[in-house]
Amino acid sequence: RKEVEQDPGPFNVPEGATVAFNCTYSNSASQSFFWYRQDCRKEPKLLMSVYSSGNEDGRFTAQLNRASQYISLLIRDSKLSDSATYLCVVTGYSTLTFGKGTMLLVSP
Amino acid sequence: SAVISQKPSRDICQRGTSLTIQCQVDSQVTMMFWYRQQPGQSLTLIATANQGSEATYESGFVIDKFPISRPNLTFSTLTVSNMSPEDSSIYLCSGGSGSYEQYFGPGTRLTVT
Repeated sequence: RKEVEQDPGPFNVPEGATVAFNCTYSNSASQSFFWYRQDCRKEPKLLMSVYSSGNEDGRFTAQLNRASQYISLLIRDSKLSDSATYLCVVTGYSTLTFGKGTMLLVSP
Repeated sequence: SAVISQKPSRDICQRGTSLTIQCQVDSQVTMMFWYRQQPGQSLTLIATANQGSEATYESGFVIDKFPISRPNLTFSTLTVSNMSPEDSSIYLCSGGSGSYEQYFGPGTRLTVT
């Protein structure tokens, strides 16, 4: 089992759609969890942290289920500018492990 | 937050040569990392750059091929030695504090001919 696995993409959705990304991780001792966004030919940038209680930032909602070792990201009312690759990131004591990423393409 | 710059932004090198990539952070950070990202792939951690001591390499990466320096808390270098076309990739450095948010440099796009 890979350390961090994400939904294979790409996801093609129309503007205004709701889209959900899933991620699972294998190391039960993982400490912190994040979603990063990477635009084409750019470096990754933090989108949001993920907490057990769930957290919301505008149109974005992230959730963590430690028992199932599962992380999700929900994007509501998709915008064209949301088109990017979304990377699930899991950290241990001093390293980050990235998932392969899921590409999202939002079309008019 | 931290702003990270990398030099060079891109280079085309001949096989058998070496390239040193510099990473500069605008503030002191506890951790600095080096990653490789090949086309269409996610990031693969090469090593953790430790200040004042030898870097910690991930499986599949060795010091002779990817020597790393980190003389202080704001600067690190990665050398890609004896390059081959398989080393063509984007190399990114990141900095941050422990397992919290990492900030990435813009990357160095390396092509080996």
